[in-house]
Amino acid sequence: DAKTTQPPSMDCAEGRAANLPCNHSTISGNEYVYWYRQIHSQGPQYIIHGLKNNETNEMASLIITEDRKSSTLILPHATLRDTAVYYCIVRAANQAGTALIFGKGTTLSVSS
Amino acid sequence: GAVVSQHPSRVICKSGTSVKIECRSLDFQATTMFWYRQFPKQSLMLMATSNEGSKATYEQGVEKDKFLINHASLTLSTLTVTSAHPEDSSFYICSAFQSGGAEETQYFGPGTRLLVL
Repeated sequence: DAKTTQPPSMDCAEGRAANLPCNHSTISGNEYVYWYRQIHSQGPQYIIHGLKNNETNEMASLIITEDRKSSTLILPHATLRDTAVYYCIVRAANQAGTALIFGKGTTLSVSS
Repeated sequence: GAVVSQHPSRVICKSGTSVKIECRSLDFQATTMFWYRQFPKQSLMLMATSNEGSKATYEQGVEKDKFLINHASLTLSTLTVTSAHPEDSSFYICSAFQSGGAEETQYFGPGTRLLVL
């Protein structure tokens, strides 16, 4: 069963912010929200993760709602190279022996 | 972030031959590595979990005798596709966890494109 729900596709103009939503209404208290992206014909790339506080790094920002039932990945200034499939995954902590399970993700298309 | 490499990046082989794919964690030790397969326009599907020094755990529907996994060291896992057939043509991706307290992050290799003729 899918633990997250994402729109299948989104478009974004180059230079604008890309806001990718993810619903995880059944998330447990010890589960983190991870975001990865996969550019065509490459392995997935780690972007960011968080538990309940908003997080920011050099790639993106992660906004998690107070009830933790949804989150948004923000690419502040999208470029053509950000065109990829973005995956939102929830996973419990201390589970090094278990793999990430991928859903269908959101295909983000950035155009000039 | 941590680096995971795969070799080869792409391989073409004849039907009936065997192909070995290597996965290495370059700057960290990984007691557990994972192998995924991805068909065109589909998401990644977990094939097996590779544990250093023990037998791999395979997902339902994945033939363990066809996809041989060896995790002989903390930085190397290999996947051998035995007696490959055209339907085994796919994108094979490995990954490994880098532990950092409670927040383990999984890093992925660049993938290996296998084409069986």
